[in-house]
Amino acid sequence: EDKVVQSPLSLVVHEGDTVTLNCSYEVTNFRSLLWYKQEKKAPTFLFMLTSSGIEKKSGRLSSILDKKELFSILNITATQTGDSAVYLCAVEAGNTGKLIFGQGTTLQVKP
Amino acid sequence: ETGVTQTPRHLVMGMTNKKSLKCEQHLGHNAMYWYKQSAKKPLELMFVYNFKEQTENNSVPSRFSPECPNSSHLFLHLHTLQPEDSALYLCASSQDTRTDTQYFGPGTRLTVL
Repeated sequence: EDKVVQSPLSLVVHEGDTVTLNCSYEVTNFRSLLWYKQEKKAPTFLFMLTSSGIEKKSGRLSSILDKKELFSILNITATQTGDSAVYLCAVEAGNTGKLIFGQGTTLQVKP
Repeated sequence: ETGVTQTPRHLVMGMTNKKSLKCEQHLGHNAMYWYKQSAKKPLELMFVYNFKEQTENNSVPSRFSPECPNSSHLFLHLHTLQPEDSALYLCASSQDTRTDTQYFGPGTRLTVL
């Protein structure tokens, strides 16, 4: 059975801290891994990763994929209160558009 | 109007009611998706449509009936729901099912009494 597991499930940090969120997966016909940030309702797209070892970066956020060990990490440096959200990891399996989501990591950044 | 819109944003219905959720995308995409997000559970894919054809039904009970009249619109018809169906229902779209990036709507918060 395909599955995506995120850890930790929740995290509380203070502004300025650096956090690392983890996502491991077991799927057949892996195509890509995606990270989303969900505030209140709709998830917003952060990164899509398809190749191992290539870091994707956007401002204070960065992510990397390890297809051998079947995991990805999402790093956030110099966290701000606006980073508080649920971070979702999803893996696309096959060509049907099916995304399998992890449980999410709830991040709370305190002032 | 931008992105993916969903109506209504909130819906309360009884178990004997019939209602419909609507999703519209203004991105020129050809694939549309319904997801269910229950409290403390991962996002669950329900249905996938690609070029108006259903390509995925993730073992969804028949009390949920999707309809995709064209590539821009997606409906989820609801009838005789159960209280455990209360959840956030999210619609998403992508260029097609071979494109990974899906763009999500704001969701409809459904409560079944």
